[in-house]
Amino acid sequence: EPEVTQTPSHQVTQMGQEVILRCVPISNHLYFYWYRQILGQKVEFLVSFYNNEISEKSEIFDDQFSVERPDGSNFTLKIRSTKLEDSAMYFCASSRGTGHRDEKLFFGSGTQLSVL
Amino acid sequence: QQQVKQSPQSLIVQKGGISIINCAYENTAFDYFPWYQQFPGKGPALLIAIRPDVSEKKEGRFTISFNKSAKQFSLHIMDSQPGDSATYFCAAPSRGSQGNLIFGKGTKLSVKP
Repeated sequence: EPEVTQTPSHQVTQMGQEVILRCVPISNHLYFYWYRQILGQKVEFLVSFYNNEISEKSEIFDDQFSVERPDGSNFTLKIRSTKLEDSAMYFCASSRGTGHRDEKLFFGSGTQLSVL
Repeated sequence: QQQVKQSPQSLIVQKGGISIINCAYENTAFDYFPWYQQFPGKGPALLIAIRPDVSEKKEGRFTISFNKSAKQFSLHIMDSQPGDSATYFCAAPSRGSQGNLIFGKGTKLSVKP
């Protein structure tokens, strides 16, 4: 089965530094997402992206965050100036884009971000 | 109103037993209830899902029971196996666009041989 791939699997950065998390969604999918999971807490929606623009974002996704699809295959999440509380597992996901609310999401294995 | 409350936080079951995980919601506008399964080091993967127009959905050893009046839904794993040991999340779609899921806090299931 096709997979969503994420790189790197672990990222350590200093507070205030910029990080870029990378994802390759499933090739024929049209919707892309970022979620995060702080250790011991629930998985939380950050942003959805369709047709080269953000379709929805949560309160967590503030001005420090941005997403981009720089080419036909990659989807990235940038955090401009990392804070300690940004430490979490970040999951990329994609979906076919049926337009229905029961859309099946395919998640990658995640990038564990540690901000020191 | 946008929360999904999941219990228990952790569950230990003997091989061959029944695992039951419960979720409750408040927003009656929720119209789709998926369960995701997550193994260590992996992302969540859709296991089974139900729409509120049916009270039960079964796929192999996995069954979702849905109680619309109580605003509760549960996952039953029959004949639990050690390979079922994982974290299970219930979810519901936010009122926003597709793919915006509200997840429960997760249940860590351990099936003992």
